[in-house]
Amino acid sequence: EDKVVQSPLSLVVHEGDTVTLNCSYEVTNFRSLLWYKQEKKAPTFLFMLTSSGIEKKSGRLSSILDKKELFSILNITATQTGDSAVYLCAAYRGDDKIIFGKGTRLHILP
Amino acid sequence: NAGVMQNPRHLVRRRGQEARLRCSPMKGHSHVYWYRQLPEEGLKFMVYLQKENIIDESGMPKERFSAEFPKEGPSILRIQQVVRGDSAAYFCASSPDSYYGYTFGSGTRLTVV
Repeated sequence: EDKVVQSPLSLVVHEGDTVTLNCSYEVTNFRSLLWYKQEKKAPTFLFMLTSSGIEKKSGRLSSILDKKELFSILNITATQTGDSAVYLCAAYRGDDKIIFGKGTRLHILP
Repeated sequence: NAGVMQNPRHLVRRRGQEARLRCSPMKGHSHVYWYRQLPEEGLKFMVYLQKENIIDESGMPKERFSAEFPKEGPSILRIQQVVRGDSAAYFCASSPDSYYGYTFGSGTRLTVV
């Protein structure tokens, strides 16, 4: 059975800290790995990773995929209170089905 | 619990026709989201609805696209006068609240010929 497992499930850090969120997957017909940030409404897209070992960056956020070990990490440096959210990892299959992890709930203390 | 049901799975329309995509949320879920995925791109948010209300439609094109989630029945994403650029996979997701428990449907692949 396909699965996407995120860890930790929740995380509390202080502003300015760096955090690493983990995502492992076991998915048939894997195509790409997606990261989303979800606050009060629908998730917003962060990254799509298709190739192994190539880091994607957007401001203080970065992510990388390891297709051999079947995992991805999402890094956030110099965290801010606005980074508080649920971060969702998802595996996109070749048949267009998306398997989501349960998310990591990140809370940044001022 | 059958999960989020989308139909049809595949839809082919000629340019200028209307496309109607349906989404039945999971039992107990009152929040519905529609996303569009273009080739080689991530999911792009389109609209967020609750029963009889549009909460956020900031991702919807200003023309030809509309969405509803009536009191009874599925959520409908409607595309009028389709063009080739509308060809994409359209995903619906539902959640019991706006923050967690987010579940996607299998999507509808729209092809405009």
